[in-house]
Amino acid sequence: DAGITQSPRHKVTETGTPVTLRCHQTENHRYMYWYRQDPGHGLRLIHYSYGVKDTDKGEVSDGYSVSRSKTEDFLLTLESATSSQTSVYFCAISEPSLNNSPLHFGNGTRLTVT
Amino acid sequence: AQSVTQLDSQVPVFEEAPVELRCNYSSSVSVYLFWYVQYPNQGLQLLLKYLSGSTLVKGINGFEAEFNKSQTSFHLRKPSVHISDTAEYFCAVSQASGGSYIPTFGRGTSLIVHP
Repeated sequence: DAGITQSPRHKVTETGTPVTLRCHQTENHRYMYWYRQDPGHGLRLIHYSYGVKDTDKGEVSDGYSVSRSKTEDFLLTLESATSSQTSVYFCAISEPSLNNSPLHFGNGTRLTVT
Repeated sequence: AQSVTQLDSQVPVFEEAPVELRCNYSSSVSVYLFWYVQYPNQGLQLLLKYLSGSTLVKGINGFEAEFNKSQTSFHLRKPSVHISDTAEYFCAVSQASGGSYIPTFGRGTSLIVHP
């Protein structure tokens, strides 16, 4: 398995509190992604990064911010969590130079906002 | 822009029966196509991918998919399923040239294999 670690694996938080999810990779891949998975919606891209300090928005970026200060770490922050952000969050990595390599996924973080 | 449609949200099937999970895509440029599988409480893992060449692609666990450019489809098949194939399956597309590499996923198909 690709070396991707998400932390925490589970989180329960209250509405209005800030939350940061961490994705750590040991593969030195250039691209990193944050997706959320919800029933009936599949996977939806929140933000992605194509290098250190290079990030861009996905289709559901409102209410989320990201940072990538090192190749290996990609942080997702919910500045003020809402119940609609209850979801399972997946980090993924890829390296396009490797023959358009597919995504490799972490095991997810289950976030519950009460 | 690109999009992916997985036509069935759920596919029930009996063990040892054949199965086909359907995927259609739209894109204005040539594409790369992927199928991923997600077992309960896990992340997604790659089943197979089409980049170029032969339109019939073989993947892990006995799955295969056929790229049909004229019908813009990439259906996933297995001739005989096992209980252990019960999982969520996702089709994904990314642009092969001239645009965003970022893949777009379908909403997923839940394959339920009954004994």
